[in-house]
Amino acid sequence: GAVVSQHPSWVICKSGTSVKIECRSLDFQATTMFWYRQFPKQSLMLMATSNEGSKATYEQGVEKDKFLINHASLTLSTLTVTSAHPEDSSFYICSARARLAASYNEQFFGPGTRLTVL
Amino acid sequence: TQLLEQSPQFLSIQEGENLTVYCNSSSVFSSLQWYRQEPGEGPVLLVTVVTGGEVKKLKRLTFQFGDARKDSSLHITAAQPGDTGLYLCAGGDYKLSFGAGTTVTVRA
Repeated sequence: GAVVSQHPSWVICKSGTSVKIECRSLDFQATTMFWYRQFPKQSLMLMATSNEGSKATYEQGVEKDKFLINHASLTLSTLTVTSAHPEDSSFYICSARARLAASYNEQFFGPGTRLTVL
Repeated sequence: TQLLEQSPQFLSIQEGENLTVYCNSSSVFSSLQWYRQEPGEGPVLLVTVVTGGEVKKLKRLTFQFGDARKDSSLHITAAQPGDTGLYLCAGGDYKLSFGAGTTVTVRA
């Protein structure tokens, strides 16, 4: 149980185009999903928190108009990188927190999406 | 923001040796998680520790939560090449704060 999928696993796009990444919780309902960015050899950096049916909350320094997040259902959140530029190239990872999670905060991570902007 | 400091940053050992990774903070955590991440993949949850002084074992991995719930350690006994990866500690009641990670390389 507690499986999270991401699609696509990798994507290459031209500068100026938009890319959508999907994050799905396959066997549980996720009240909250989180989007992270990870640079090579570094830890995860939280970008935004996504709650089903409400607007995402962005971390300081993350442009909400550039990284559009939609949490349409309890099993799906999407991240759209708009007008992508080479500096947006990175490994994007989502995680999901189960609706009936234990009292402690356990998150389950997707396999990540490698974005390369040419 | 609750900060977590991990040490060492890098660890390279021979197969069969033991290793310990540390995760420290000045803040108290209600729980701490340990994840392992392999290149090109997402982090995989190894364990959650919730009680001060708790010790959890997962085969050759031993996790300890400090009595004051401010620190944790991961000990691997008789490391194998399959243990190679990035080990991350994380904590937080809603948003997770991650340590910088420890890159472990086990040489055959």
